[in-house]
Amino acid sequence: NAGVTQTPKFQVLKTGQSMTLQCAQDMNHNSMYWYRQDPGMGLRLIYYSASEGTTDKGEVPNGYNVSRLNKREFSLRLESAAPSQTSVYFCASRWGTADEKLFFGSGTQLSVL
Amino acid sequence: EDQVTQSPEALRLQEGESSSLNCSYTVSGLRGLFWYRQDPGKGPEFLFTLYSAGEEKEKERLKATLTKKESFLHITAPKPEDSATYLCAVQAGGAQKLVFGQGTRLTINP
Repeated sequence: NAGVTQTPKFQVLKTGQSMTLQCAQDMNHNSMYWYRQDPGMGLRLIYYSASEGTTDKGEVPNGYNVSRLNKREFSLRLESAAPSQTSVYFCASRWGTADEKLFFGSGTQLSVL
Repeated sequence: EDQVTQSPEALRLQEGESSSLNCSYTVSGLRGLFWYRQDPGKGPEFLFTLYSAGEEKEKERLKATLTKKESFLHITAPKPEDSATYLCAVQAGGAQKLVFGQGTRLTINP
């Protein structure tokens, strides 16, 4: 099984450019999440989707938008990239209940110049 | 506000030298405490979930324990392949998100 698949793995943007990070899971999970990881900061939640058709803000949503395209896919969009958005982005999913483990993708390393 | 603090930030051990990693937390209504392992360039990989104080779980050379304020990840006779960053996270009751600590970077020298 592929699990959680993220694309692209690496991306370099110029300030002001836009891009979409793609995420797909093949485990029939209901809930999907986008985190960013910065040195010394731990993983911080950007947005999540508790179920198909719903999305909610996490800790650090400013500058991002999300789309839950269907049960499998959850995309993260940067409309106008800023250097502060340089980070490693992880998509994760789980069946749905709050005491269940998350399954993570392998990450997207994004640099904004 | 839910918070997780891990210590130390980095730990270097010799192969076979046992030690413990600490995860202190404050959370309103703990639903679960999670330990993950993260290798460089990869996403976190699940290790354990602990639900209540006094609970312990083991996997190979790793044992996780939980009290009302902290969790420990004990590593017994580690090997170089145990080198990784270990992440702790808590799930509060009624919340959708996991709150992560900043991680402990563990290096095991042969």
